[in-house]
Amino acid sequence: AQSVAQPEDQVNVAEGNPLTVKCTYSVSGNPYLFWYVQYPNRGLQFLLKYITGDNLVKGSYGFEAEFNKSQTSFHLKKPSALVSDSALYFCAVRGPSGGSYIPTFGRGTSLIVHP
Amino acid sequence: SQTIHQWPATLVQPVGSPLSLECTVEGTSNPNLYWYRQAAGRGLQLLFYSVGIGQISSEVPQNLSASRPQDRQFILSSKKLLLSDSGFYLCAWWQSYGYTFGSGTRLTVV
Repeated sequence: AQSVAQPEDQVNVAEGNPLTVKCTYSVSGNPYLFWYVQYPNRGLQFLLKYITGDNLVKGSYGFEAEFNKSQTSFHLKKPSALVSDSALYFCAVRGPSGGSYIPTFGRGTSLIVHP
Repeated sequence: SQTIHQWPATLVQPVGSPLSLECTVEGTSNPNLYWYRQAAGRGLQLLFYSVGIGQISSEVPQNLSASRPQDRQFILSSKKLLLSDSGFYLCAWWQSYGYTFGSGTRLTVV
């Protein structure tokens, strides 16, 4: 079975400071990993994904994530936070096999960027 | 272009009334489609998924049902709504780079 943990319900950071939103996963085989962002009363928007290749993945809005196989982590990062980055962030993992393509989502981390 | 549409955006329904939420995709054929519910603005619960017309898999037995009458149409229904059916319902479509989500329906059962 696959699982995702987002250990922080909420992350607070000052505008201009770097931010990290943590994600660890468990899956059989090589993982497919994703980050999504959700603004209030909206659907989830794709930020970035890791399937293979470079461990550092760059995505939308200046976000990046680092895949660490030994630590089974895929933390989301941004060098300089903006107030507009405040939103709910979801990490998701999927195993490499095909079929119904059902990822498992974490419970979400609320990012609050203070002016 | 490839897009996903979901409606209505908001819905207030009395307990015991029926429900029909619709999701359609454009610009593709034979998509894998999914219905999720999000309670209290947090975790996503997979309700149903479909890999083709007439093919529905249910992840959680409950008061809801789903149908796939056409290739690019996915409908979430209920015959009699319960208070506990309130939530934010999201349709999603699996593409090569991951999920694309609809804009969601906020359902309030009163």
